[in-house]
Amino acid sequence: DAKTTQPTSMDCAEGRAANLPCNHSTISGNEYVYWYRQIHSQGPQYIIHGLKNNETNEMASLIITEDRKSSTLILPHATLRDTAVYYCIAGTASKLTFGTGTRLQVTL
Amino acid sequence: GAVVSQHPSWVICKSGTSVKIECRSLDFQATTMFWYRQFPKQSLMLMATSNEGSKATYEQGVEKDKFLINHASLTLSTLTVTSAHPEDSSFYICSALDRASGSKDFGPGTRLTVT
Repeated sequence: DAKTTQPTSMDCAEGRAANLPCNHSTISGNEYVYWYRQIHSQGPQYIIHGLKNNETNEMASLIITEDRKSSTLILPHATLRDTAVYYCIAGTASKLTFGTGTRLQVTL
Repeated sequence: GAVVSQHPSWVICKSGTSVKIECRSLDFQATTMFWYRQFPKQSLMLMATSNEGSKATYEQGVEKDKFLINHASLTLSTLTVTSAHPEDSSFYICSALDRASGSKDFGPGTRLTVT
């Protein structure tokens, strides 16, 4: 898996959009960008993944730069329940290597 | 997404005993399952990859004789921690690959405490 770099922590006000950046400058052509989140003492929850096109689902949007060296996960209207550690992973489904992630704190 | 369950959700055992953790894919067949371990305030570390009907592939530094993995069916993989010691206390998480959808979903985890 390609190495990813994420900010250690971020804050976001409830109701606002949370934009979580990720750098993956060494991503290879067959590697996807995956996002998972982990709420305390639970297993990781899948959010979204993409190869090169932007993706959107009911949880979030994923914006991948044209050179695929970075991406941004967007939670359009953050709620307190979105407080978690968010992991950006560049890899394939058969091999996902977790980094340290971004701890997102959503506040009132 | 696909549903993966684990049992038990938590277990306490005495040092020297063995503990078995089950991982099940509930709504799909998983030819490949993965076992991770997470220590407090750390990220998930892949321990091994198990393929149905064949031997598991262990990551470097993971003792295969201590962490026995069996993937005898398309919906069940088990991890047995043999001769557990307090340093084996951790959060064990499995995941399963749904090849039909390409998604990889995680179980809720099992918290093991060895006293």
